Amino acid sequence: AQSVSQHNHHVILSEAASLELGCNYSYGGTVNLFWYVQYPGQHLQLLLKYFSGDPLVKGIKGFEAEFIKSKFSFNLRKPSVQWSDTAEYFCAVNAGNAGNMLTFGGGTRLMVKP
Amino acid sequence: KAGVTQTPRYLIKTRGQQVTLSCSPISGHRSVSWYQQTPGQGLQFLFEYFSETQRNKGNFPGRFSGRQFSNSRSEMNVSTLELGDSALYLCASRIPGGGTEAFFGQGTRLTVV
Repeated sequence: AQSVSQHNHHVILSEAASLELGCNYSYGGTVNLFWYVQYPGQHLQLLLKYFSGDPLVKGIKGFEAEFIKSKFSFNLRKPSVQWSDTAEYFCAVNAGNAGNMLTFGGGTRLMVKP
Repeated sequence: KAGVTQTPRYLIKTRGQQVTLSCSPISGHRSVSWYQQTPGQGLQFLFEYFSETQRNKGNFPGRFSGRQFSNSRSEMNVSTLELGDSALYLCASRIPGGGTEAFFGQGTRLTVV
């Protein structure tokens, strides 16, 4: 069964700092990759997705992620975070043999200090 | 366009009881999935329904079941509730087929006492 690892459980940054959240998965076949964000008290929202093509994908609110197949990674980046980026971030993988099932990482809680 | 709607938002039940949660997908979305979110286990896939048929099932005991109606609305049921079933239950809908993402509802917070 596939698994997804997010190595940073809690991250604290000051505004304007750069962000990189790691995500690694364990499935060797075709994958669809996602980053979701959960703001306090709100539902999970899609930040960005990768299905195929350019491995560098851009999402909403200035976020981007790079798919590196050889490293089984899909790291999330943002050059300059804002206080409003305080949230929990989840990496998710849909493996080619798993229908529409998403396997989620454990999440990373990001706190941005004003 | 309305999002995924889950009812009720909050629920308190006693051990041994059963519970039914409801999910109305986004209009036109015929695939509905359910997830359990807990602090200890994170987000775990329960099952997926499409065209009133269960297409995929996660690693949960048979006490967890679901169904989908002809209008794509879905319900999940948990029988003989245990304390460990306390969680946020999330429903997600999508347009079936590859290249589409899941849209999540706000969830139902179930507390078992």
